[in-house]
Amino acid sequence: GAVVSQHPSRVICKSGTSVKIECRSLDFQATTMFWYRQFPKQSLMLMATSNEGSKATYEQGVEKDKFLINHASLTLSTLTVTSAHPEDSSFYICSAPGGGVNEQFFGPGTRLTVL
Amino acid sequence: AQKITQTQPGMFVQEKEAVTLDCTYDTSDPSYGLFWYKQPSSGEMIFLIYQGSYDQQNATEGRYSLNFQKARKSANLVISASQLGDSAMYFCAMRSYSGAGSYQLTFGKGTKLSVIP
Repeated sequence: GAVVSQHPSRVICKSGTSVKIECRSLDFQATTMFWYRQFPKQSLMLMATSNEGSKATYEQGVEKDKFLINHASLTLSTLTVTSAHPEDSSFYICSAPGGGVNEQFFGPGTRLTVL
Repeated sequence: AQKITQTQPGMFVQEKEAVTLDCTYDTSDPSYGLFWYKQPSSGEMIFLIYQGSYDQQNATEGRYSLNFQKARKSANLVISASQLGDSAMYFCAMRSYSGAGSYQLTFGKGTKLSVIP
């Protein structure tokens, strides 16, 4: 089946620094990718929809200047957490829809810890 | 707006027994899809089963089956012959149209399943 990769899988950074997370569709093209955030023992919450060739669409309450999304190509979307703070520590997961209505492929996730 | 409700924060089941995880949903869309995902402690999201709103029969995938009751807006997951490796978080999700020909998923809060030897 289709594969979505994420890099890095785990990152620890100091407060105030920026962190970039990459999401790649390895064997298919994705004009749209979704970024989710999951706090411990909670559900996945959609942060934004990344669109190739246009601006990302952010969910209500998500700061677009803090979570920068760039959909550079049909196989790559990046999420940059700018000026990270401890409250940004979370599990970030990307997903990309496949061609079928039941196809939604998830990356393995990135665990961010901000000290 | 779409809403997914999972009312069971945690469930226990004896190994080799069957278990039902509840999911109800709310949507005004005439066409929708319902997913179940398994999330082990590693964090990866593992697709289990899908049910389309117009599918006439309940979906089945190996030991997983979906008890789809459209009038009641429920899509419960049934796991037969539970195994120790089934211990994980289980999420119900609904596909909704997000514009520009794409769809997004809305997730329930999840149910933590623990299989007892």
